[in-house]
Amino acid sequence: GAGVSQSPSNKVTEKGKDVELRCDPISGHTALYWYRQSLGQGLEFLIYFQGNSAPDKSGLPSDRFSAERTGGSVSTLTIQRTQQEDSAVYLCASSLGGGVENTIYFGEGSWLTVV
Amino acid sequence: GENVEQHPSTLSVQEGDSAVIKCTYSDSASNYFPWYKQELGKGPQLIIDIRSNVGEKKDQRIAVTLNKTAKHFSLHITETQPEDSAVYFCAASPNQAGTALIFGKGTTLSVSS
Repeated sequence: GAGVSQSPSNKVTEKGKDVELRCDPISGHTALYWYRQSLGQGLEFLIYFQGNSAPDKSGLPSDRFSAERTGGSVSTLTIQRTQQEDSAVYLCASSLGGGVENTIYFGEGSWLTVV
Repeated sequence: GENVEQHPSTLSVQEGDSAVIKCTYSDSASNYFPWYKQELGKGPQLIIDIRSNVGEKKDQRIAVTLNKTAKHFSLHITETQPEDSAVYFCAASPNQAGTALIFGKGTTLSVSS
């Protein structure tokens, strides 16, 4: 595809429900990142996948958050028992590899609102 | 871990003026410093980056400078135009294989005509 694709683009959910956010990285990109952007805040790192290596989960804010990447391509970020403070834009990004020489490209984000 | 501070949080300039955004980082081993521009409703897009082996890089109206001794880097936009209005983020990459970018909190730039 032309760029990083995320779905849904907007999601409104009730507090306590689970949500799944999907990311399709650029074809051939082995590195995939999830970031969270709250209103007026910067980009908060959540999780990073690189090839077949164990993911870096150091940014996940609680055990309600998890992510997987199937077949080294598509990734799903799952938030269980959503809380109002989970409301944010969830941004996915990918790069050709994990080194600093590879530009990171972002998708347009999934806007999550928990009511 | 790495920490990136960005200033100012908001910046208003007149069309044609220059705009400067500054960032500091804490990890002296960081070696890659990109700048991203985010327009309303869009994902961030890379506009320029610099690596630690150079002190300055320029691309048309945009330039970035890096001072590794002081651990700070800056974005300079000359001859600003209304379409430059957006949120700008700086980032630093810790010098470890397989680590993600750490971002500043962003600067909202408004260019009035």
